[in-house]
Amino acid sequence: DGGITQSPKYLFRKEGQNVTLSCEQNLNHDAMYWYRQDPGQGLRLIYYSQIVNDFQKGDIAEGYSVSREKKESFPLTVTSAQKNPTAFYLCASSIVQGNYGYTFGSGTRLTVV
Amino acid sequence: GQQVMQIPQYQHVQEGEDFTTYCNSSTTLSNIQWYKQRPGGHPVFLIQLVKSGEVKKQKRLTFQFGEAKKNSSLHITATQTTDVGTYFCAGQGYSTLTFGKGTMLLVSP
Repeated sequence: DGGITQSPKYLFRKEGQNVTLSCEQNLNHDAMYWYRQDPGQGLRLIYYSQIVNDFQKGDIAEGYSVSREKKESFPLTVTSAQKNPTAFYLCASSIVQGNYGYTFGSGTRLTVV
Repeated sequence: GQQVMQIPQYQHVQEGEDFTTYCNSSTTLSNIQWYKQRPGGHPVFLIQLVKSGEVKKQKRLTFQFGEAKKNSSLHITATQTTDVGTYFCAGQGYSTLTFGKGTMLLVSP
């Protein structure tokens, strides 16, 4: 089945450590996105990429980094510079043009202690 | 930047009652999308509206796009317990979607 796989589902890290969240899709979508979800805050865009080897900052990119070396993969690194990293992180993908919505992964819940 | 406001933030209904959530954008939208997120789950795409004044139906769900393409609504007729979740609207910007904060729907049997 085609879809987006995020791993791990739950992740615990100590404060000051960098952590990388995985996102893989086999939908052949060109565009991929990272969103952060906090209670009552909706979904806020961190980074997005519409083509391999290119990505753009979203609304809350500070303290995060990404790479897009392959069409299928868009990993997100939460660095120690992110002041409040505990959150639910959602990866999504889409066709760049057309009347299609985003397909979301099942998310990674990151807790920093 | 583009802002998308959604009301109400939360609604609790009895099974069989109707439910409506409203979405307003600060700018004219090229299209608007609606998503549903079940508790503990991830957002799932429901529908996209593109044309001014467009109305689309999916069984008990009715979606409307305003004439000015700055507002939208989702109406659920005769809610069921399976409708529980958070409903998000999302406005299409230049390259990405801007999501509203969502309306959480709780349905009591």
